[in-house]
Amino acid sequence: NAGVTQTPKFQVLKTGQSMTLQCAQDMNHEYMSWYRQDPGMGLRLIHYSVGAGITDQGEVPNGYNVSRSTTEDFPLRLLSAAPSQTSVYFCASRYRDFNEQFFGPGTRLTVL
Amino acid sequence: AQSVTQLGSHVSVSEGALVLLRCNYSSSVPPYLFWYVQYPNQGLQLLLKYTSAATLVKGINGFEAEFKKSETSFHLTKPSAHMSDAAEYFCAVSDQRGTSYGKLTFGQGTILTVHP
Repeated sequence: NAGVTQTPKFQVLKTGQSMTLQCAQDMNHEYMSWYRQDPGMGLRLIHYSVGAGITDQGEVPNGYNVSRSTTEDFPLRLLSAAPSQTSVYFCASRYRDFNEQFFGPGTRLTVL
Repeated sequence: AQSVTQLGSHVSVSEGALVLLRCNYSSSVPPYLFWYVQYPNQGLQLLLKYTSAATLVKGINGFEAEFKKSETSFHLTKPSAHMSDAAEYFCAVSDQRGTSYGKLTFGQGTILTVHP
């Protein structure tokens, strides 16, 4: 199993550009989440999904959209990037019956 | 609502010394508690978890943590630090039920430095 994969690993955007961060898992996990990591703030939940077609907002959802059309994929969209979205983004997944979350390797995003 | 406080953003120890990383939590319902480790430029790896079984939890790489309900604490310890333990450590809490079920709330992280 590849586990949780994220692409790209690094990305530089200009203010106002849009992009999609990709996340995929091959463990048939129902739950998937997106976090952002900023120095001194730990990881903060952006959006999460409890299954295909079901998504909800986390702690810091503004400026981000998600969709979940399949169990495997959970892309995160930035519609109009802002410098405040410069961060490291992690995708995670787990089984519905509570268990540990498995994290992807992260995407380091810089918005100029 | 749930929250996590990690006391000390940086901890420095000598190789062979005791490692103690502090974590206090608040949760309105019985919690699940986790410690994750992040090595430079990598994702998060689970060290150990408390899910309402034994209060003393043993994890990987010789780490353990004790759940103390009366103190709302879940401190991480290792008897003897290795150079390879240098990393950032995150404590996290999740509610067992209710509207926060399954959502992880992280502390701000503690960077552990190990000196020769």
